[in-house]
Amino acid sequence: DAKTTQPNSMESNEEEPVHLPCNHSTISGTDYIHWYRQLPSQGPEYVIHGLTSNVNNRMASLAIAEDRKSSTLILHRATLRDAAVYYCILRAPGAGSYQLTFGKGTKLSVIP
Amino acid sequence: DAGVTQSPTHLIKTRGQQVTLRCSPISGHKSVSWYQQVLGQGPQFIFQYYEKEERGRGNFPDRFSARQFPNYSSELNVNALLLGDSALYLCASSPITFNSGSETQYFGPGTRLLVL
Repeated sequence: DAKTTQPNSMESNEEEPVHLPCNHSTISGTDYIHWYRQLPSQGPEYVIHGLTSNVNNRMASLAIAEDRKSSTLILHRATLRDAAVYYCILRAPGAGSYQLTFGKGTKLSVIP
Repeated sequence: DAGVTQSPTHLIKTRGQQVTLRCSPISGHKSVSWYQQVLGQGPQFIFQYYEKEERGRGNFPDRFSARQFPNYSSELNVNALLLGDSALYLCASSPITFNSGSETQYFGPGTRLLVL
């Protein structure tokens, strides 16, 4: 799977929007962009994924650049519960395992 | 519906011992994957099983082995434990039966292993 680059850490004030960036300049045309997050002392949790178009769900929005070399996870109103490590992961289709290749992610701190 | 469950939650072993970790996937999920997460790092893929067959293996030594049972639950075994095996071991299940790249994985809370 292609590599992603994320900032090590970010801060946000509670109830403000948060934009978490991810660079993936070597992405291939069939790679899906996935976001997971890991709250303290818990296993990772699926947040959202997309291929080309922007995506919205109850947790977040995913904005994908037109050239697909970067994406942004948007939390519309950060809460204290959103403090977690956020991982941006690319996954290619095809034969083989379902493995997720995690980097170090972005540690998001939410300030009350 | 119950999520992915893992047992035990915590475990302390000494070097050289063997350990077995257990995972029950979400009902209806046939794929189970195992990950190791050492402190300060993201999870690293160890194994994936689908329909009781190994579908993928990460860069881990042969001391690590796993199996999947007819009810789709799974065990991860680690022999000859080393201090460096101390980590959070995560199990994840997935409902999809083909690899389109869009599959979601659902993680359990993990088993925290400490090797002394």
